Amino acid sequence: SQKIEQNSEALNIQEGKTATLTCNYTNYSPAYLQWYRQDPGRGPVFLLLIRENEKEKRKERLKVTFDTTLKQSLFHITASQPADSATYLCALDSGGSYIPTFGRGTSLIVHP
Amino acid sequence: EAGVVQSPRYKIIEKKQPVAFWCNPISGHNTLYWYRQNLGQGPELLIRYENEEAVDDSQLPKDRFSAERLKGVDSTLKIQPAELGDSAVYLCASSGGTGDNSPLHFGNGTRLTVT
Repeated sequence: SQKIEQNSEALNIQEGKTATLTCNYTNYSPAYLQWYRQDPGRGPVFLLLIRENEKEKRKERLKVTFDTTLKQSLFHITASQPADSATYLCALDSGGSYIPTFGRGTSLIVHP
Repeated sequence: EAGVVQSPRYKIIEKKQPVAFWCNPISGHNTLYWYRQNLGQGPELLIRYENEEAVDDSQLPKDRFSAERLKGVDSTLKIQPAELGDSAVYLCASSGGTGDNSPLHFGNGTRLTVT
């Protein structure tokens, strides 16, 4: 069956460090993968998209990698700040369906 | 630009009662999605519209859920009758199209509690 796996345990890190979140998937052949941020009581907000033929994408302090052989995406936040504390969701399309399917998200807590 | 607007923000009802949620997407966005998000889980698609046409409603429990998007703009999602297991956050999202050039823009959702 199809699965999108994100670590259900919260990631706690110290301010200034790099946060790395993982998204693994099985039985998907996504054309692209997206990362969203969700704050409590709010809807998800789009951050970055990476296509299947791209290895890495950067935006300011954010970096996403996409390894279609490992079926994994890594999401990095460098020089993390307490304001980065949120839940981060990965989403991928089901091979041309154009409908993003979401993982459960990983909570990031950045301590001052 | 104004974002996706949803109302109400919160709704508490007794089981077996009907409930309706409303969504106003970003102006010009032809694609509209309804997702349901349970606590600690990611959003799960209920239905997707292209303009006024429902193009993917395979995950919508049609015995009690219905949706409409008249004139291809605003949308309403209805549950009748509600069950305890329907308690969740109902999220509406819109996009300017489909595919990798059209990320989703979400509203802040309606939190439904069924007692």
